[in-house]
Amino acid sequence: GAGVSQSPSNKVTEKGKDVELRCDPISGHTALYWYRQSLGQGLEFLIYFQGNSAPDKSGLPSDRFSAERTGGSVSTLTIQRTQQEDSAVYLCASSTADTNYGYTFGSGTRLTVV
Amino acid sequence: GENVEQHPSTLSVQEGDSAVIKCTYSDSASNYFPWYKQELGKGPQLIIDIRSNVGEKKDQRIAVTLNKTAKHFSLHITETQPEDSAVYFCAATDSWGKLQFGAGTQVVVTP
Repeated sequence: GAGVSQSPSNKVTEKGKDVELRCDPISGHTALYWYRQSLGQGLEFLIYFQGNSAPDKSGLPSDRFSAERTGGSVSTLTIQRTQQEDSAVYLCASSTADTNYGYTFGSGTRLTVV
Repeated sequence: GENVEQHPSTLSVQEGDSAVIKCTYSDSASNYFPWYKQELGKGPQLIIDIRSNVGEKKDQRIAVTLNKTAKHFSLHITETQPEDSAVYFCAATDSWGKLQFGAGTQVVVTP
């Protein structure tokens, strides 16, 4: 597609349930990033995939968070046993291997844990 | 690692006036500095960027300046309009080429 696509756009889940968030990057972009943005806050880095290299998971806040990227394209961020503090907008971005051309962000998934 | 600081956190300007947002970075190897605009309910959108071999870049009402010696860069918006109201993020590449973002500036343009 023309841009980065994220689904769902909104997700309400009960505390303790697992959720999966999907990101479809721009075709041909080898790098993919997940960020979390709490209400009125900045961009918190979560995880970074670059080609076939091992992902940079240094930003994942706990072992309840995981992500995978299948076939170098679509990525899924999974949050297990969701907590209320997980409520936030989860943003995905992609870029070419040359990061001197910036990232393209999706519109995000707004997650609300009740 | 790279640390990007952004000021101010909020900026209120009268329509037609100029707005300036400043960022500093710590990694002397940083060579790419983009600026993003985030409107309510949307993802951040790249609006302008500058590379380390350039001191200034303009695109209509927005401009970015870079001082590599002092490790700071700034976004300038002239003749502000209500549609410029948004959150603006600066960023700089770290040693691995990954972007480190500033904390953001909420710009409010009042008519």
